Formats: sequence, structure tokens, C-alpha cells
Amino acid sequence: DSGVTQTPKHLITATGQRVTLRCSPRSGDLSVYWYQQSLDQGLQFLIQYYNGEERAKGNILERFSAQQFPDLHSELNLSSLELGDSALYFCASSPEGSGNTIYFGEGSWLTVV
Amino acid sequence: QKEVEQDPGPLSVPEGAIVSLNCTYSNSAFQYFMWYRQYSRKGPELLMYTYSSGNKEDGRFTAQVDKSSKYISLFIRDSQPSDSATYLCAITNTGGFKTIFGAGTRLFVKA
Repeated sequence: DSGVTQTPKHLITATGQRVTLRCSPRSGDLSVYWYQQSLDQGLQFLIQYYNGEERAKGNILERFSAQQFPDLHSELNLSSLELGDSALYFCASSPEGSGNTIYFGEGSWLTVV
Repeated sequence: QKEVEQDPGPLSVPEGAIVSLNCTYSNSAFQYFMWYRQYSRKGPELLMYTYSSGNKEDGRFTAQVDKSSKYISLFIRDSQPSDSATYLCAITNTGGFKTIFGAGTRLFVKA
């Protein structure tokens, strides 16, 4: 158990809908990352937050947005969903100033039908 | 050119074999090197990290970094069927603000 908690574990929704994925980082970790992993694809970095502020942005679509709250939990919002958005979405966290040790949650499996 | 190159495999070996997994990277600004193991549809699990050239050993696993060649390796001794997973290398720049993952190598260890 990495200590990173993600909900929901599984989600099935229709095209055009909006969903929110939630992440609680490890206790004390200030950095939160979001990654997308499609079937048989590598990890695609979406976005990183550090103590509530956006720190780095990767290949995140405009239809997607994220935020980190004062209690350090984070949410990833996916809107106008398309079939191609079906993927595993991972949240990860790392200790302050230590981006080399990233700990992943178990992921949220999103299926768009 | 990708910043991190990793052969996706699959790599199939018999139980007990020594496994060698490799990555190359292009930017010398990356100073921290990690290996993650990912079982099917599970979150990647940090196996090892190092920040210097040379070898680091942990049980049956040895991570090797050659900064002059920008080449990193993970060796698994006495491989077991339970080692069957996807192994991802990852590199982080100085300051730890940017981490790049390799595509992952799928490993199958046959009993």
C-alpha cells in the first residue's frame, strides 16, 4: 500500500458526460501528480500540483482540469468525455523537494461507452 | 527523439534466469533514476532509485547507472514467475521538478 488513495476505482459513463476523480496523497506529501495510461500505452503525464499551486503541465487536454485543495487532496475533472478517454488514471504524490520518489495510487479505471 | 527510450518487449525468460532491462536517456540534466514495477492494471510500485553512477543492490535486484553513456539498467537475479510485470524506468531532473517515464518493458517469467 503506497498510501495514495484514489476514488472511484472503477467508473463507467457515457460520451459527453463529466466525471471527477479524487485523490488523497500520502500523509505529508505536498506534490500531487496525475497520469493517464491507456490500454497498452505508457504513462502520460497530465499535470502536477505543489501545495495547491500548479507546478507543471503535460499532455492534458483542455477538456480536463485539476486542482489541489488546502487539505492537499486533488481532483481531476474530465468533461465532454469521448471514447478515447477510456483509460486508467493514476494519481501520485511525492515528499516536498523530492520528485525522484513518486508514489502511485491504484488508479481509477474509466470506461466511456 | 524521446527523452527516455525503453524497449517495450515483451521479454520472455525461464524461471531462474538473469533478466536485464535497459533504458537510455538523452538529457544529462536528469540526475535521479528510478525503476518501477507495474502489475496488470495496478499502480506502478517504486522498486529502486539512485542518483549516481554505479550499482545499487537490493535483494535480487540491481540498478546500474552509467551517466557517461546515459544508460540505465535493472538486473533481476534468479527470476521468479511473480516477477512477471511491466518494468518502467524513470528519470528526474535536478531539483526533482520533472520526471519522465519510459514506455515500460513487459517481462514474462515462465515456470
